[in-house]
This record gives sequence, structure tokens and C-alpha cells, in this order.
Amino acid sequence: AQKVTQAQTEISVVEKEDVTLDCVYETRDTTYYLFWYKQPPSGELVFLIRRNSFDEQNEISGRYSWNFQKSTSSFNFTITASQVVDSAVYFCALSEGTGGGADGLTFGKGTHLIIQP
Amino acid sequence: DGGITQSPKYLFRKEGQNVTLSCEQNLNHDAMYWYRQDPGQGLRLIYYSQIVNDFQKGDIAEGYSVSREKKESFPLTVTSAQKNPTAFYLCASSIRGANYGYTFGSGTRLTVV
Repeated sequence: AQKVTQAQTEISVVEKEDVTLDCVYETRDTTYYLFWYKQPPSGELVFLIRRNSFDEQNEISGRYSWNFQKSTSSFNFTITASQVVDSAVYFCALSEGTGGGADGLTFGKGTHLIIQP
Repeated sequence: DGGITQSPKYLFRKEGQNVTLSCEQNLNHDAMYWYRQDPGQGLRLIYYSQIVNDFQKGDIAEGYSVSREKKESFPLTVTSAQKNPTAFYLCASSIRGANYGYTFGSGTRLTVV
């Protein structure tokens, strides 16, 4: 069965610090998809990134970057020069490729990120 | 603009009552999902539907029911059999399956009074 672990329940940093959110996953499929979502205080989850299991290239989008390592089953998310607007709960999620992900996404429990001014 | 609309935003229910949460999407997505979020628990899957008139139970379906009579709509009923219904409920849709990622609604916060 698939599983996603976000061991960091809450992280608090001062603005402009870099911060990394950890995500470790478990799956038996060789084809799978990994996601990160942001949940601001308003409640709606916002899509950040989707990565398939065959693409291990790291990705950078502005201040955000993602490190995907199949060898350690990890898909970590780094925010560089954090800002107060980055404060939110961040979720890592996994979809197994078999059946097109028909069973839905499996989410980690989330990491509450607090950026202090 | 296309998106998912959940209503109401806040809902209060008396013990023993059934309540229905609305979820409507105009994205022409085939798949729709309901998740429950509790503090520190992440999102847990209640029900999902890949096509009209078909749906499957998720991990915590007991005490809930759904219908999918139209592609655009996937209402969730919280029945009196759900012993602890106070939670934040999120509806999501996907163009075909979860591999493509979800678009989420803004959620309904249900409180039992």
C-alpha cells in the first residue's frame, strides 16, 4: 500500500531564511506521481508541482525548488529566502500509476510552515 | 473562470441530522473526490467517482454517502451514522485520474452542535 510521511509537523523560521520540507514515500509501483500542495489559511489547496517517477531532475521555480531522489524515496521541497506569504500548511502526495491513479491521491499529514517577520 | 464551488462554506448540524455538502465543477473533469481534513491528520479519502453514476468508497466511507448523477456535481451527505462529523471537507476534481493532479474547492467546515 502507498504511504507518504512528512515527519516535520511544524517548522518556524525567520523571514529570509531557507527552509526544507521533507517528504518520504512508499509504493510498490514503478510508475507513480508525486505532488506538493500548499494550503494557506483560507483552506483551499493550491497545486505546486507534479513529478513522475521517471523524471529525477530537480526543478526550480523562482524561490521554490524540489529534490527528487528515488534511492531514498524522498521528494523534498525547499523555499529559498522565505517570505511571510509562504506561511501555510504544505502537503506532499502520491498517486500510483497503475490504473491512472484511479484510487486517488494519498496525502501526508502536512507540515505547518510559519515564517516570522 | 473554471473551477470547483463548494457550498456552504460553514455548516452547523445538530446531532442525529443528515446534512448534504455541495460540490460543483465546470472544468469538464471526469473524476471527483471527497476528502476529510482533521487537525494533524492530513487529508483522508471518503469517496471518489471516475464517471457518472459510478463511485467507490475511500478509506473512511462509513457514515457518508454520495451520488454522481451529473458530471458536474458530486454531493456528499454526512449521515447520523457518522459519529464524529466535525471536520473540514474538501472536494476535488481531476481531468481523468489522480495521476494528473487535483483541482480543489475552497472547502466546507462542518460543526456538530
